[in-house]
Amino acid sequence: EDQVTQSPEALRLQEGESSSLNCSYTVSGLRGLFWYRQDPGKGPEFLFTLYSAGEEKEKERLKATLTKKESFLHITAPKPEDSATYLCAVQISGNTPLVFGKGTRLSVIA
Amino acid sequence: KAGVTQTPRYLIKTRGQQVTLSCSPISGHRSVSWYQQTPGQGLQFLFEYFSETQRNKGNFPGRFSGRQFSNSRSEMNVSTLELGDSALYLCASSFSGTTEAFFGQGTRLTVV
Repeated sequence: EDQVTQSPEALRLQEGESSSLNCSYTVSGLRGLFWYRQDPGKGPEFLFTLYSAGEEKEKERLKATLTKKESFLHITAPKPEDSATYLCAVQISGNTPLVFGKGTRLSVIA
Repeated sequence: KAGVTQTPRYLIKTRGQQVTLSCSPISGHRSVSWYQQTPGQGLQFLFEYFSETQRNKGNFPGRFSGRQFSNSRSEMNVSTLELGDSALYLCASSFSGTTEAFFGQGTRLTVV
């Protein structure tokens, strides 16, 4: 069965303390991997799409990378406003639904 | 550019009732997907519509149904509500289903 696992479940960082979130997947084939950010009570906000191993995408303090079995979301010098749940999802082939992990809840303390 | 709009934002219903939720996708997007989000199960796929046809369906009972109109707006219906249906229902639109999906703010359904 196709599966997406995110770790850790929760992460607490001091402001400025860089870290990484992990998303590992066991799928028969990967068309694309997606990262989203979700604030409490709101819908997920699209961050990145990665399609092939070795690909990297950056946006402000966030950088997403992809290997054949996992993706990392690196957060550099986080600020309290980066606190949110970060969701990872995979798409196996065109027109198939996204399969989501359960997310990493990030708290950044000033 | 307007985002994905879901209405209503909040609903309280009684067990046994039915409910209809609405989703207006981003202009030009033809694919609309629905998800149920609960604290224990995370985001679970309900169904996807593309050009008024259901293209994919998740593993939910037949009480959950949906449709899409010619203007790409979509509705989902839940009949005979159960307490376990309490959740955040999210709609996502994309141009074709193979590109990035953008989510609405969700409808928070509480069944009492």
